[in-house]
Amino acid sequence: QKEVEQNSGPLSVPEGAIASLNCTYSDRGSQSFFWYRQYSGKSPELIMSIYSNGDKEDGRFTAQLNKASQYVSLLIRDSQPSDSATYLCAVPNTGGFKTIFGAGTRLFVKA
Amino acid sequence: EAQVTQNPRYLITVTGKKLTVTCSQNMNHEYMSWYRQDPGLGLRQIYYSMNVEVTDKGDVPEGYKVSRKEKRNFPLILESPSPNQTSLYFCASSLSQGIRTEAFFGQGTRLTVV
Repeated sequence: QKEVEQNSGPLSVPEGAIASLNCTYSDRGSQSFFWYRQYSGKSPELIMSIYSNGDKEDGRFTAQLNKASQYVSLLIRDSQPSDSATYLCAVPNTGGFKTIFGAGTRLFVKA
Repeated sequence: EAQVTQNPRYLITVTGKKLTVTCSQNMNHEYMSWYRQDPGLGLRQIYYSMNVEVTDKGDVPEGYKVSRKEKRNFPLILESPSPNQTSLYFCASSLSQGIRTEAFFGQGTRLTVV
């Protein structure tokens, strides 16, 4: 079992729809969770972080965390073609010395 | 402007010819790390450094070396590159190694070993 797992996609949604991206992790001691967006040929950039169970909203983005189920998700409301990218889930290990990245989910938003 | 700078951006080299990829950050970050990114495998950590003269192996350190003589610089050295080291490499820095610190990434170095 991979330490951080994501559906590789591609996930295709029409413009204006909600895109739902999922991530599961294996380290029960993990306490923080990050979502990075990576455009093709570019470097990853942080879009959301979440540390507590529940939802965290920032503009069109909502991160959801369920530590009991070891599950974290990212919702993108009103999806735009500019949201088309690969989304990486990142989970620092217990102690925070290493960060494990998922393989990423490719999202396509169709105009 | 706060940034992480990698050089070169693109490199084609031959098997066995030593090379160095440089990484420099201007944010006074303590923590720096190197990743490689391969299709279907995501970002895998090669080495990380918690501060000057403090480095440790990540998940895929074989064939790589690093050094941290100054806080701002963290070069990645391939003593004898092989074709399986063809990849996209990213350097990243964080304020510290704490669990709540985000990583800032360099622009990436696309390495091809023939």
